[in-house]
Amino acid sequence: DQQVKQNSPSLSVQEGRISILNCDYTNSMFDYFLWYKKYPAEGPTFLISISSIKDKNEDGRFTVFLNKSAKHLSLHIVPSQPGDSAVYFCAASGGAGKSTFGDGTTLTVKP
Amino acid sequence: GAGVSQTPSNKVTEKGKYVELRCDPISGHTALYWYRQSLGQGPEFLIYFQGTGAADDSGLPNDRFFAVRPEGSVSTLKIQRTERGDSAVYLCASSLGQDSPTQYFGPGTRLLVL
Repeated sequence: DQQVKQNSPSLSVQEGRISILNCDYTNSMFDYFLWYKKYPAEGPTFLISISSIKDKNEDGRFTVFLNKSAKHLSLHIVPSQPGDSAVYFCAASGGAGKSTFGDGTTLTVKP
Repeated sequence: GAGVSQTPSNKVTEKGKYVELRCDPISGHTALYWYRQSLGQGPEFLIYFQGTGAADDSGLPNDRFFAVRPEGSVSTLKIQRTERGDSAVYLCASSLGQDSPTQYFGPGTRLLVL
């Protein structure tokens, strides 16, 4: 059973437009959520996170929204830039230790 | 400062052989994590250390896999009697402590078992 799901394997958007990446989770014990960005042949890089006590966190062009009742979070990138093209992983943590990752969404931003 | 480093970057071995993968975390990070990533999937948790001790090894797939962190810094993931299904990218990450959920990843070791 996959506890963190990213149902869209890929997303393509035009430069300057909004990118919305979605993530669903099933485990109610998760209390911290993170987004990582990954370029080919590199390890994932932390992008933005949100605690379960919040419903929104913003950092520049990146905003993460959390809907606890729906067990759903999303990452908004506005405006999207070609350099944002990468694989984005959603991850969830239940306190100490490990994170559980989704399978990723490949974002392509077209110039 | 220096990030997480992993060696080797690539490893090709034959089925049945023994391999060691090394991870050097960010200085001062007390928590260290190992993940395995197969093609088209997200990182899958294997084990994490808080200091020298393995705090959670529930992700190790079987007893062919073992990891150590004897001095609380560098860690080695050891795989005995490798199988073709072990082929994957092995990622190491570190964090300030087990209560710091943000993890900093190394570039990974690409293991290919022939």
